[in-house]
Amino acid sequence: QVQLVESGGGVVQPGGSLRLSCAASGFTFSSYGMHWVRQAPGKGLEWVAFIRYDGSNKYYADSVKGRFTISRDNSKNTLYLQMNSLRAEDTAVYYCAKDLTYCGGDCYFAFDIWGQGTMVTVSS
Amino acid sequence: DIQLTQSPSFLSASVGDRVTITCRASQGISSYLAWYQQKPGKAPKLLIYAASTLQSGVPSRFSGSGSGTEFTLTISSLQPEDFATYYCQQLNSYPRVTFGGGTKVEIK
Repeated sequence: QVQLVESGGGVVQPGGSLRLSCAASGFTFSSYGMHWVRQAPGKGLEWVAFIRYDGSNKYYADSVKGRFTISRDNSKNTLYLQMNSLRAEDTAVYYCAKDLTYCGGDCYFAFDIWGQGTMVTVSS
Repeated sequence: DIQLTQSPSFLSASVGDRVTITCRASQGISSYLAWYQQKPGKAPKLLIYAASTLQSGVPSRFSGSGSGTEFTLTISSLQPEDFATYYCQQLNSYPRVTFGGGTKVEIK
C-alpha cells in the first residue's frame, strides 16, 4: 500500500545536527513533489520545506532557511531533511508528506499521504 | 504571508449533530484551500481539497464550501470517529503553504 515512513529523529543539543529520512513505497516516488511539515508539542502544523519531483527546485520556510536542507534520492525512494544549527524551537514531530496536484483547468494542490512522524527534541 | 484564522478553536458537540467550522484567509486565495483531520498521536489526514472536492475514501458527511477569503467545513451528522482536530490549509502561495490554528471537536 501507499506508505511513507520517517526515521532519524532523536534528542540533540542546541547547535547540533540531525538528518531525517522518509522512505516511500506503493507509488512512483520519482513522479511527485514532497514536503516536510512539523508540529511542535501541543501546537499546530507548520510547513517546513518542499522539493520538486526531480529535485530541481527546493523551497523553505523562513524559520529554517539557511539551516535545513531538503533532498531526495529517487533511486532509493527516499526523502531527506538535513537539519543543522538546531534550536529549541525546532523541537517537534516532523512529518513527510506527498504532494497531490490535480489539474482540471486550474491546478489544485494538497498533501494526500503523510508519514507517521518522527520526533526531534532539541535540548541540553 | 497569508494568515488563516479558524473558528471556533474548540467546540463541544454530540453524536448526530451538524458541525460547521470556519476558516478565514487574510487575503483572497480563490479555491486553494484544503481541510485535514488529525487524531491524537496520528498524522493529519486529507479530507477536502480545492475547497470542496472530497478526497477519495472520505465519508460524504464531510463537505467543504467557500472561495476567496471565507471557507467552511461541515460535518452533516457527527460520528464517534469524527472527534479530532481539524486544520485548514491555504495553497494559494504553493509550495509555501500555511495552516490554520486548528479546531478541536470534542464530545459533549
